[in-house]
Amino acid sequence: DTGVSQNPRHKITKRGQNVTFRCDPISEHNRLYWYRQTLGQGPEFLTYFQNEAQLEKSRLLSDRFSAERPKGSFSTLEIQRTEQGDSAMYLCAIIVYTDTQYFGPGTRLTVL
Amino acid sequence: SQELEQSPQSLIVQEGKNLTINCTSSKTLYGLYWYKQKYGEGLIFLMMLQKGGEEKSHEKITAKLDEKKQQSSLHITASQPSHAGIYLCGADIPPGTYKYIFGTGTRLKVLA
Repeated sequence: DTGVSQNPRHKITKRGQNVTFRCDPISEHNRLYWYRQTLGQGPEFLTYFQNEAQLEKSRLLSDRFSAERPKGSFSTLEIQRTEQGDSAMYLCAIIVYTDTQYFGPGTRLTVL
Repeated sequence: SQELEQSPQSLIVQEGKNLTINCTSSKTLYGLYWYKQKYGEGLIFLMMLQKGGEEKSHEKITAKLDEKKQQSSLHITASQPSHAGIYLCGADIPPGTYKYIFGTGTRLKVLA
């Protein structure tokens, strides 16, 4: 158990629909990351938060993507007007004590 | 081009055999992380290396960061089916940006 849960674990949606994923860390931390991973590739950085502040966004994060971390604990990632190219595993990770990242189990998105 | 190159891309070994996975960077590494991932799941932290020449071991897995800090190797001794999965190296490049990048992974299969 890495101390990070993600919901839902799987999401199937039709193109054009909006989806929201949630990341819930159970341990104390200050930095929270979102990554996207497609088949056969390593995770690609999307964005990260230092407490409530979103400090960095990848250019992969188009204007259809938005992430929030309202109280510095859980975080949500929303994708609006989903496209088939959005199909991927979305991973959340936290930094605890050191610079080591601990990952959640991921949310697998399939856009039909 | 990939900033972190892993080799080989895939590996099939007989149970009991030793194996090595390499991770090469075009830039100096100030923190190199090794993770293991089972298909469809999140990444599990294995080890972090920070100093050139540093070597760490956990059970039958040993990782080393070379002196020039541009390459790391992960060595598994007497492989077991439980070692099967995808091994990923990750790094904070450039250092201090808190933006982590990952290699594309090495897929390991261990035949019983």
